[in-house]
Amino acid sequence: NAGVMQNPRHLVRRRGQEARLRCSPMKGHSHVYWYRQLPEEGLKFMVYLQKENIIDESGMPKERFSAEFPKEGPSILRIQQVVRGDSAAYFCASSTKETQYFGPGTRLLVL
Amino acid sequence: GESVGLHLPTLSVQEGDNSIINCAYSNSASDYFIWYKQESGKGPQFIIDIRSNMDKRQGQRVTVLLNKTVKHLSLQIAATQPGDSAVYFCAENKDTGYALNFGKGTSLLVTP
Repeated sequence: NAGVMQNPRHLVRRRGQEARLRCSPMKGHSHVYWYRQLPEEGLKFMVYLQKENIIDESGMPKERFSAEFPKEGPSILRIQQVVRGDSAAYFCASSTKETQYFGPGTRLLVL
Repeated sequence: GESVGLHLPTLSVQEGDNSIINCAYSNSASDYFIWYKQESGKGPQFIIDIRSNMDKRQGQRVTVLLNKTVKHLSLQIAATQPGDSAVYFCAENKDTGYALNFGKGTSLLVTP
């Protein structure tokens, strides 16, 4: 059983470009969470989704950030018009309402 | 606001010794707690969890203790090995299926 998959593992963008981060949950998991981690910091919750529904987006900035988890395909975290402050590691986790299992993360660098 | 915090940012132990990593939480409504291990460049790896109706739970070489009276959580690692070197995070939430609130982490360094 493959774990949580994320791609790309590393992403470099220039200011003003768009970043699209993908997450494929573990097989059988219908709950997906996105977290952001700055260097030497803990993970900060961004958004919690179930299939085709956003359940809680209280941790996601209101502007430029969006997330989806379509019926088919991976969950996508989209950051429009990236700024240097968006540079961080973005982790996806999935669960079946028990333990959250994390993917390897996408490290975004904004130049 | 509500927060989860760790007492010590770094912990150095000798190989073979036992390690204890502590965590304080402030949300008295929290009923689910979890420990993760994160190695450099990797995602958090589940270690062990515990619900608020328990005081202690044991896994392989690890034990989690929960003291709800003082809102304190600890992770004990027996016979610490070099492979245990990593950053350890405690996290909590009000129920499974909800967002986890992470502490800042404790860096564990195991010396030979």
